[in-house]
Amino acid sequence: AQSVTQLDSQVPVFEEAPVELRCNYSSSVSVYLFWYVQYPNQGLQLLLKYLSGSTLVKGINGFEAEFNKSQTSFHLRKPSVHISDTAEYFCAVSDPQAGTALIFGKGTTLSVSS
Amino acid sequence: KAGVTQTPRYLIKTRGQQVTLSCSPISGHRSVSWYQQTPGQGLQFLFEYFSETQRNKGNFPGRFSGRQFSNSRSEMNVSTLELGDSALYLCASSLDPGGYNEQFFGPGTRLTVL
Repeated sequence: AQSVTQLDSQVPVFEEAPVELRCNYSSSVSVYLFWYVQYPNQGLQLLLKYLSGSTLVKGINGFEAEFNKSQTSFHLRKPSVHISDTAEYFCAVSDPQAGTALIFGKGTTLSVSS
Repeated sequence: KAGVTQTPRYLIKTRGQQVTLSCSPISGHRSVSWYQQTPGQGLQFLFEYFSETQRNKGNFPGRFSGRQFSNSRSEMNVSTLELGDSALYLCASSLDPGGYNEQFFGPGTRLTVL
């Protein structure tokens, strides 16, 4: 079965610093990969997705992620964070062959302080 | 275009009762998925509906059930509530199933079981 591991449960950073949120997935077959963000008391919002093609994916709010098939990773990065980026971030995977729904990681809480 | 709406937003029930949660997808979206979010287990997939048929089901007991209507609106029901059912229940809609379509999430229904 598919699984997703988000290696850091909490990441504290200062405003304008770069950040990387790490995500590894278990499958060796082709998968679709997603990053979602959840602000307090809200649902999830899609940041970016990888379906195929270029391994560097750009998303909203200045975020980008790099798909690495050999390391089965899909790390999320932002070169300079803002206070407003404080939220919980979820990495998710789906298997197009199996037709499964999204499998989420446990989430990473990004806390940006001034 | 209106987003995914979930009703009610908050619900308090006692053990042994049953509860029905409602989800209205984005207009034109035919696939609806349900997720349970708890601090301990994170986001877990409950089930997915497409064209009034359950397409996928997560690893939850039979007390959790759902259905989808011809207008794509969906309901989920939890019978014989347990304390551990306290969670944020999120509904997501997409154009079609298949994993590559973006899922749009509603704000969730927060269920508290006393």
